[in-house]
Amino acid sequence: GENVEQHPSTLSVQEGDSAVIKCTYSDSASNYFPWYKQELGKRPQLIIDIRSNVGEKKDQRIAVTLNKTAKHFSLHITETQPEDSAVYFCAASTGTYKYIFGTGTRLKVLA
Amino acid sequence: DTGVSQDPRHKITKRGQNVTFRCDPISEHNRLYWYRQTLGQGPEFLTYFQNEAQLEKSRLLSDRFSAERPKGSFSTLEIQRTEQGDSAMYLCASSLGPSRANTEAFFGQGTRLTVV
Repeated sequence: GENVEQHPSTLSVQEGDSAVIKCTYSDSASNYFPWYKQELGKRPQLIIDIRSNVGEKKDQRIAVTLNKTAKHFSLHITETQPEDSAVYFCAASTGTYKYIFGTGTRLKVLA
Repeated sequence: DTGVSQDPRHKITKRGQNVTFRCDPISEHNRLYWYRQTLGQGPEFLTYFQNEAQLEKSRLLSDRFSAERPKGSFSTLEIQRTEQGDSAMYLCASSLGPSRANTEAFFGQGTRLTVV
């Protein structure tokens, strides 16, 4: 069935270093891949998304790459800051409505 | 606040009781979703509405769960005869559609249900 695997489950980096989170999806029909950031006790918020017709997208310190052949996509955060500390979720959608989420990565940026 | 709003934010109920949650989506959004999130996990899809039509229900949604969106605006999620395993955060989200596929889903802050 539909599945999204996400790694690592926890990630600690020093402030200013880069962080990379990886996801693999199973449904080859998936064509939309959003990333959500969820701070403790708050709602998930979209930080970046990518569609299957592009391989990479960047927004300031955040970038996402997509490899359709391998069915995996990654989130890259450069020059990490303490406020980047949160749980990050990847998701995949076949373009209709349903998002399949990964299990989340707890990112800690150490000052 | 013009985002997705959910009510109540917290609900504690005794096992066996019925509970109902409400979600008010962003006003121009046709699509509305319910997800369930347990501690340390990503949101799990429960059900989806396109306007007032419920187009899909997850196998996670037992017969004790029912959702409605009577006028294509707000939605309710009811859980009958609650069980301790129903304890979770129930998230509602909405997005534009149907003419625009793959649009951002905006989440509400969720209703945290605790069944004791």
